[in-house]
Amino acid sequence: GAVVSQHPSWVICKSGTSVKIECRSLDFQATTMFWYRQFPKQSLMLMATSNEGSKATYEQGVEKDKFLINHASLTLSTLTVTSAHPEDSSFYICSADLETVIYNEQFFGPGTRLTVL
Amino acid sequence: AQRVTQPEKLLSVFKGAPVELKCNYSYSGSPELFWYVQYSRQRLQLLLRHISRESIKGFTADLNKGETSFHLKKPFAQEEDSAMYYCALWGTDSWGKLQFGAGTQVVVTP
Repeated sequence: GAVVSQHPSWVICKSGTSVKIECRSLDFQATTMFWYRQFPKQSLMLMATSNEGSKATYEQGVEKDKFLINHASLTLSTLTVTSAHPEDSSFYICSADLETVIYNEQFFGPGTRLTVL
Repeated sequence: AQRVTQPEKLLSVFKGAPVELKCNYSYSGSPELFWYVQYSRQRLQLLLRHISRESIKGFTADLNKGETSFHLKKPFAQEEDSAMYYCALWGTDSWGKLQFGAGTQVVVTP
């Protein structure tokens, strides 16, 4: 089956530092990947759509300079939280879109827990 | 604007009892509807999608365009069904972007 990995699974950083989260599709290529944010006991909120070879598209209210996305290859997208602050602490989840002849399906990574002190 | 509503945050049922998770949506076009499940300490995974019209793990869901609903049903709940369930919508004008409902926690007790 299609597997998506994320690294790291958790990270603790100091306020003001930047943190990079990787999302990889392990056994398939993904032109499109998605980044979500999930607060405790809440649903997933789409942050941005990551497109291989082009700029990411951000949802309304998401600061693109704050959350830098790079989709450099068909199997890797990265999310960098720049100058992190405590309010950025959250669970970040990525998904990769697998295109088949019949339909598309998103496969989700296990998530990355970010804690900003 | 598209919206997905799951009115129940928590659903507690006994093993062997029927379970129904409600999902209503608002969308002006013809959306694709999905149910995702997240078991404890596991990643989110697709349970079923309306276009495939499948029964997965005994669960079924029918898209009712008149009532704009996509309720998830299972006639006999099992303990392993305990999980978080999310209804999601994929609009034809927002390709690939999933709009998730708030989720319903299902607890099946023996």
